[in-house]
Amino acid sequence: DGGITQSPKYLFRKEGQNVTLSCEQNLNHDAMYWYRQDPGQGLRLIYYSQIVNDFQKGDIAEGYSVSREKKESFPLTVTSAQKNPTAFYLCASSIGSQGSYGYTFGSGTRLTVV
Amino acid sequence: QKEVEQNSGPLSVPEGAIASLNCTYSDRGSQSFFWYRQYSGKSPELIMSIYSNGDKEDGRFTAQLNKASQYVSLLIRDSQPSDSATYLCAVKSGGSNYKLTFGKGTLLTVNP
Repeated sequence: DGGITQSPKYLFRKEGQNVTLSCEQNLNHDAMYWYRQDPGQGLRLIYYSQIVNDFQKGDIAEGYSVSREKKESFPLTVTSAQKNPTAFYLCASSIGSQGSYGYTFGSGTRLTVV
Repeated sequence: QKEVEQNSGPLSVPEGAIASLNCTYSDRGSQSFFWYRQYSGKSPELIMSIYSNGDKEDGRFTAQLNKASQYVSLLIRDSQPSDSATYLCAVKSGGSNYKLTFGKGTLLTVNP
């Protein structure tokens, strides 16, 4: 079955540590996105990529980095520069690069700072 | 700043009733509109999309769009307890804008 796989489901980060969240899709979608969701907040865009080897910052990119070396994969690194990383992280993809047909979401990664 | 506004709720309806969820958006050039359902602790799931003025029906769900009023709504007929979730409205602007802008969501509770 086609879909988006995020791993791990739960992740714990120590202060000053970098962690990487995995996102893989087999939908043959062109565009991929990373969102962050905090309690009582909407989804906020961190980074997006419309084609391989290209990505752009979203609204809250500070403290995060991404890569898009393959069409299927869009990993997100939460760096030590991100001061408040505890949140629910959602990866999404869309047909075409403009998102005109909506997004398909992965199951999410819940990151907690310990 | 393009905005999407929703009542945060909670909206509480009895089982079998019609639930009405509303959303307004600020960008008059918006072209595509979506409703997502998000169960607690889970990721959003696309349930409806609408692109032109009027109504679009899919089973118990009806999406309504009024671009002149910059308003989109979701009606859920014969509400079931399994419909209890947060409903997110998402809007895509026209032109080259790449992203969906999401509202904060409305929490719906359907009481048996």
